[in-house]
Amino acid sequence: GAVVSQHPSRVICKSGTSVKIECRSLDFQATTMFWYRQFPKQSLMLMATSNEGSKATYEQGVEKDKFLINHASLTLSTLTVTSAHPEDSSFYICSAPAGVGNTIYFGEGSWLTVV
Amino acid sequence: GNSVTQMEGPVTLSEEAFLTINCTYTATGYPSLFWYVQYPGEGLQLLLKATKADDKGSNKGFEATYRKETTSFHLEKGSVQVSDSAVYFCALTSFGNEKLTFGTGTRLTIIP
Repeated sequence: GAVVSQHPSRVICKSGTSVKIECRSLDFQATTMFWYRQFPKQSLMLMATSNEGSKATYEQGVEKDKFLINHASLTLSTLTVTSAHPEDSSFYICSAPAGVGNTIYFGEGSWLTVV
Repeated sequence: GNSVTQMEGPVTLSEEAFLTINCTYTATGYPSLFWYVQYPGEGLQLLLKATKADDKGSNKGFEATYRKETTSFHLEKGSVQVSDSAVYFCALTSFGNEKLTFGTGTRLTIIP
């Protein structure tokens, strides 16, 4: 199947700083990628849809100025958490559709801890 | 809108026990249904899927049948192993939409 890779897998940052998470499609091109967030013991919630060459589409309640998404190429989308706070600590995971039937493939996820 | 209701956990079973994790859904149109598995410290992996009514998805001994009449997609395995310990998510997408709606997840622990 298709491979989606995220980096970094774990990151710790200080409160008030920004952190960037990358999502790459390794063996296919992705015009669309999706970013999810998972709080401890809760389900994954869709944050935004990343669109290559255009602005991301954010879900209701997600601050677009805080969670900056850039989909600059057909194989890379980045999520930047700006002015991070401890409540942003979470598991962030991206996905992309690929192949016949547009099966959704997920990255490994990124654990963000803001201290 | 779309929603997925999943059996609450955690679920603890002995090795070789029979497993059922219930999942029901509400969706417009004809959704595709999925089970994803998240092993400790890892991302999500697609376990199985079904795209139309009466389809049965299967993988690694797990099965789930798309039941339109009961809007359900229950996950089953006849004999679980310790290595099946993970969090299982039921999910769906509506026709033409690649956004996934997830259930809350069920944490499964298998004890030897």
